[in-house]
Amino acid sequence: DAGVIQSPRHEVTEMGQEVTLRCKPISGHDYLFWYRQTMMRGLELLIYFNNNVPIDDSGMPEDRFSAKMPNASFSTLKIQPSEPRDSAVYFCASSLAQISGDTQYFGPGTRLTVL
Amino acid sequence: KNQVEQSPQSLIILEGKNCTLQCNYTVSPFSNLRWYKQDTGRGPFSLTIMTFSENTKSNGRYTATLDADTKQSSLHITASQLSDSASYICVVSPLSGNTPLVFGKGTRLSVIA
Repeated sequence: DAGVIQSPRHEVTEMGQEVTLRCKPISGHDYLFWYRQTMMRGLELLIYFNNNVPIDDSGMPEDRFSAKMPNASFSTLKIQPSEPRDSAVYFCASSLAQISGDTQYFGPGTRLTVL
Repeated sequence: KNQVEQSPQSLIILEGKNCTLQCNYTVSPFSNLRWYKQDTGRGPFSLTIMTFSENTKSNGRYTATLDADTKQSSLHITASQLSDSASYICVVSPLSGNTPLVFGKGTRLSVIA
């Protein structure tokens, strides 16, 4: 398996623009997670899905953030409109079983810069 | 509140030397504790995992220890190599299977020649 795949790897956009980040989890994994990483706050869980269903989105910072998982092999994280404070590295991760009981495999991340 | 604190924030050592990274946590009860390594520009990957009943776990030159009584863990790196330069993140799993992982902010290790 190629592991968790994310695209794009880098995204530079202007404030107010819509940004869409994409993720393909490892085949067969039931859980998918979206994280944001900054120097100040480290890794923060934004939302996670179980079998394509959003379970906990309490980490999503604002209504400007939304995530979907239309099928088992694809998920998106959308920011609309984007703001400079959204600049961070966004990681997607997947795991086979329980949210905390199983190893999570991370993708390479998308580095987002909002000007 | 569940928290994981790591120290030091950053560390510079000479190639070939040993070092120890520290992790203190307040997560209780917990099911396991992991150390992740994150190379620059990449996602974290799991180095070691210990359940609450384990005291030590090794993975090559990496040895993790766990003291559940004092809620402390350490990661010891022996005979460091340039490729060990990375961030090391301590992650604690609450016992409840549906509670998210608790991440430390990591220790940034630089190994220099």
